[in-house]
Amino acid sequence: AQKITQTQPGMFVQEKEAVTLDCTYDTSDPSYGLFWYKQPSSGEMIFLIYQGSYDQQNATEGRYSLNFQKARKSANLVISASQLGDSAMYFCATVPNFGNEKLTFGTGTRLTIIP
Amino acid sequence: DVKVTQSSRYLVKRTGEKVFLECVQDMDHENMFWYRQDPGLGLRLIYFSYDVKMKEKGDIPEGYSVSREKKERFSLILESASTNQTSMYLCASSRQLGNSPLHFGNGTRLTVT
Repeated sequence: AQKITQTQPGMFVQEKEAVTLDCTYDTSDPSYGLFWYKQPSSGEMIFLIYQGSYDQQNATEGRYSLNFQKARKSANLVISASQLGDSAMYFCATVPNFGNEKLTFGTGTRLTIIP
Repeated sequence: DVKVTQSSRYLVKRTGEKVFLECVQDMDHENMFWYRQDPGLGLRLIYFSYDVKMKEKGDIPEGYSVSREKKERFSLILESASTNQTSMYLCASSRQLGNSPLHFGNGTRLTVT
């Protein structure tokens, strides 16, 4: 079984600053994937970025990047040059790459961008 | 773009009522999921389906059932709604299990009084 820990229930960040949202995971699976999702106040969960456990490079998608440290079982999301529209809940999730396992989500971090 | 549509945005039901939450996806995805979201608990999987008429229990299936008669539609059923089932319900679909991202609907906020 997998477990995701997001230790920051809430964060306040000044607009245009970079943000790091923490995520640590616990899994015994040799191959797995890590996801980050954004949930604005509208409620829809939006897929942001994916990192495979055997990927050699950290994933990047526009202003989003993943600081993946496999030995520390850490997959922190970095948002560069934050914008007001980044205010939302952010969820980290993990899944084994094989078998019929499903995503396990963390409890989320509420990010508020201050103008 | 994948579109996952949940039939109701807000729903208010009485204790003991039978409640149906409907979800439709338009991308021919094999897998569909029902999650429940509560503050401080994140998302918890209720049931998922990897094929028509196939279903598997998630982490919290008690008090719920599901139906998948057609590939595009996945229904969550509360046989006898209780106040502790007041929550946000999120439907999702994915092309395959494992490292394929989930695509979510907008959610249904259910209140049971």
